[in-house]
Amino acid sequence: GAVVSQHPSRVICKSGTSVKIECRSLDFQATTMFWYRQFPKQSLMLMATSNEGSKATYEQGVEKDKFLINHASLTLSTLTVTSAHPEDSSFYICSASGGQGFGQPQHFGDGTRLSIL
Amino acid sequence: ELKVEQNPLFLSMQEGKNYTIYCNYSTTSDRLYWYRQDPGKSLESLFVLLSNGAVKQEGRLMASLDTKARLSTLHITAAVHDLSATYFCAVETWGNQFYFGTGTSLTVIP
Repeated sequence: GAVVSQHPSRVICKSGTSVKIECRSLDFQATTMFWYRQFPKQSLMLMATSNEGSKATYEQGVEKDKFLINHASLTLSTLTVTSAHPEDSSFYICSASGGQGFGQPQHFGDGTRLSIL
Repeated sequence: ELKVEQNPLFLSMQEGKNYTIYCNYSTTSDRLYWYRQDPGKSLESLFVLLSNGAVKQEGRLMASLDTKARLSTLHITAAVHDLSATYFCAVETWGNQFYFGTGTSLTVIP
């Protein structure tokens, strides 16, 4: 089946550091990728939608200058948390879709746990 | 603003009992997904419901979708400890975006 690899699985770093998270589709081409954030004991919140070769679409309330998304190829999207602060500590999950439009299944990565000290 | 609400948020039940988790959503959609999440882990896909009246069953879990009522249910039959996890429903909108429910944390007590 379709596999989405997310790296790293865990990051601990100091406040003010920028952190990059990679999301790769291993055996299919991902036209669209999605980034979610999940705080402890809460649901997944969609942060942004990225389409290969175009700018990401951010959900309301998500700072695009803080959460930089690059979808440079059909198999790789990156999320960079710039100048991270403790309130950015969360579980970040990516998903990838093989097509565009309604009804394309999403495949989820294993998530990245980000802890900012 | 799209809302996806689950009820209950927390559920503690004894082994062998039955229960239903409800997922209500506020937008028009024909596609609804159920996922399981274990602590510290990502999502495991359980069911994909693609149309009004769809019913899927796998083991002790059964999911259904009523698009007119904007309601999906996840029914648990004869619960066992291994089913303890958090369960999320997710509604798919045009544009292939998923919006997740509030989650139901299930604990099955021996």
